[in-house]
Amino acid sequence: DAGVTQSPTHLIKTRGQQVTLRCSPKSGHDTVSWYQQALGQGPQFIFQYYEEEERQRGNFPDRFSGHQFPNYSSELNVNALWLGDSALYLCASTFKPTGTFYEQYFGPGTRLTVT
Amino acid sequence: KQEVTQIPAALSVPEGENLVLNCSFTDSAIYNLQWFRQDPGKGLTSLLLIQSSQREQTSGRLNASLDKSSGRSTLYIAASQPGDSATYLCAVRRGTDKLIFGTGTRLQVFP
Repeated sequence: DAGVTQSPTHLIKTRGQQVTLRCSPKSGHDTVSWYQQALGQGPQFIFQYYEEEERQRGNFPDRFSGHQFPNYSSELNVNALWLGDSALYLCASTFKPTGTFYEQYFGPGTRLTVT
Repeated sequence: KQEVTQIPAALSVPEGENLVLNCSFTDSAIYNLQWFRQDPGKGLTSLLLIQSSQREQTSGRLNASLDKSSGRSTLYIAASQPGDSATYLCAVRRGTDKLIFGTGTRLQVFP
């Protein structure tokens, strides 16, 4: 059973550029959340996708956008990159969030470095 | 606004010691609390999930407790091993809302 997968593993971009990160959820999961983890910090929630719609959003600017596809995979797009966007980007998946008996499973992350 | 704090920030112990990691949260209206392990530069591995109606969960040498009324959870690691060295994160959740994480406890177990 494949877990959550993310691509690419590492990425180096220049300020002002745009980047797209990809995530495939664990088999059987239909909800995908994205988190940003700066060095030495806990992950911060960016947004969550379910049924191809953004359901929840954290305190991130509109430069951060996403998409969910019919097969439940998801993309995170960041425009006009800043140096401060350098972080580990984590994707998490879970079942449809209608109850309390669910657990989030995280992928290995994408390390983004903005120079 | 929910805030999650983890104490201590770092811990270095000799192999074999029993450890207690602490997590506190300011809003007791949570659905569940999850403990994760993170190796350097890697993703998160879920260790234990405690529902709000539960008091504790156990998995192998790990035991996590939850006291909602006081806004506290503890992760107990028995007979620590060098392979336990990692950062341990706790996170709370309300319904379909986001997970709110603490900043973690960085654990080093030396032989």
